[in-house]
Amino acid sequence: GAVVSQHPSRVICKSGTSVKIECRSLDFQATTMFWYRQFPKKSLMLMATSNEGSKATYEQGVEKDKFLINHASLTLSTLTVTSAHPEDSSFYICSARELTRAANEQFFGPGTRLTVL
Amino acid sequence: QKEVEQDPGPLSVPEGAIVSLNCTYSNSAFQYFMWYRQYSRKGPELLMYTYSSGNKEDGRFTAQVDKSSKYISLFIRDSQPSDSATYLCAMSVSVNKFYFGSGTKLNVKP
Repeated sequence: GAVVSQHPSRVICKSGTSVKIECRSLDFQATTMFWYRQFPKKSLMLMATSNEGSKATYEQGVEKDKFLINHASLTLSTLTVTSAHPEDSSFYICSARELTRAANEQFFGPGTRLTVL
Repeated sequence: QKEVEQDPGPLSVPEGAIVSLNCTYSNSAFQYFMWYRQYSRKGPELLMYTYSSGNKEDGRFTAQVDKSSKYISLFIRDSQPSDSATYLCAMSVSVNKFYFGSGTKLNVKP
């Protein structure tokens, strides 16, 4: 149980294009989903927290117009990187919190590696 | 000063050894403490979750929290090559924002 998937697993795009990453909770309802960014040999950095049906809460320094988050249902959240640039290349990981589990347990997806040329 | 400090390693041990992984932190308000295992190019997998101080054991894994010293540990007994991964500590004040260490890379040699 508590499986989270992400799609695509890796994507390569040209500078200036937009990329959408999907995060799905496969066997549970996720009241809250989180988006992280991970640089090589660095810790995961929380980008934003999204609750189903409401606007995402972004961490300080994260551009909300660049990283669009939509949490349309209890099983799906999407992150769209708009007008991507090479500095946006990174490993993006989502996590989800299950409604019935301990409030502090997050289950992570396998991540999406974005490379912007 | 970083919120959470973790030695990046790599830590290399022979199979069967006891492994000790540690993190220190600066925020005394942290009350939730987690350990995650992350294989290369994969998302983190929750191993242990502890609230406040004390010890917690699950199979070959033991998590310890010492809030007075702001220090947490993860012990792995009878380590196996399949334990080779990066181990991330994480902690939080509230249920939403986790602060992660940078991870310690562990290599268990057969």
